[in-house]
Amino acid sequence: QQQVKQSPQSLIVQKGGISIINCAYENTAFDYFPWYQQFPGKGPALLIAIRPDVSEKKEGRFTISFNKSAKQFSLHIMDSQPGDSATYFCAVPNTGTASKLTFGTGTRLQVTL
Amino acid sequence: EADIYQTPRYLVIGTGKKITLECSQTMGHDKMYWYQQDPGMELHLIHYSYGVNSTEKGDLSSESTVSRIRTEHFPLTLESARPSHTSQYLCASRLGIAGNTIYFGEGSWLTVV
Repeated sequence: QQQVKQSPQSLIVQKGGISIINCAYENTAFDYFPWYQQFPGKGPALLIAIRPDVSEKKEGRFTISFNKSAKQFSLHIMDSQPGDSATYFCAVPNTGTASKLTFGTGTRLQVTL
Repeated sequence: EADIYQTPRYLVIGTGKKITLECSQTMGHDKMYWYQQDPGMELHLIHYSYGVNSTEKGDLSSESTVSRIRTEHFPLTLESARPSHTSQYLCASRLGIAGNTIYFGEGSWLTVV
């Protein structure tokens, strides 16, 4: 079973700052590595995902950096906005035909004015 | 935007009642999942399905059961609800091709009193 460690547990960033959330996993995985964003009372929504053979992917203000050899990846939110305040989950694919994901414990981000 | 629907969104029921949480997706995804999530906490996989007539237990033990008679439908049933079942239940689906990630519904909030 895949093990995933996500940090920090919570994060407070000023508007315009950079938010960085980290994830580390134990077992080698070969499928996409996604980040999800969840607002209170809603289901998680796919934010951005990266292929395992790519070291970085950028979509607007959101960037994933991926270090395959270290089994770590991180989410960077540039120019953080109050609307980015949410809980963020990383996820790591499991091997096998079920295409399961193991989720991190979540990071609660608060962006202040 | 993922087309995956859950009903009811909110449910308050008494102990011992039988409940069924409905989940439907219109994307033709073969793989479907149920996750359990307490407020602000991590997601735990409780059931998944490879396709029609295939269901498996997830990583977190659950007293609920599931069925997959049609590709688009993956209901979850609790035969006798207890207060310990109070939680949010998230349905998700995925097309079983490498590179596709999991899409979530809005969730069903269950409160057992």
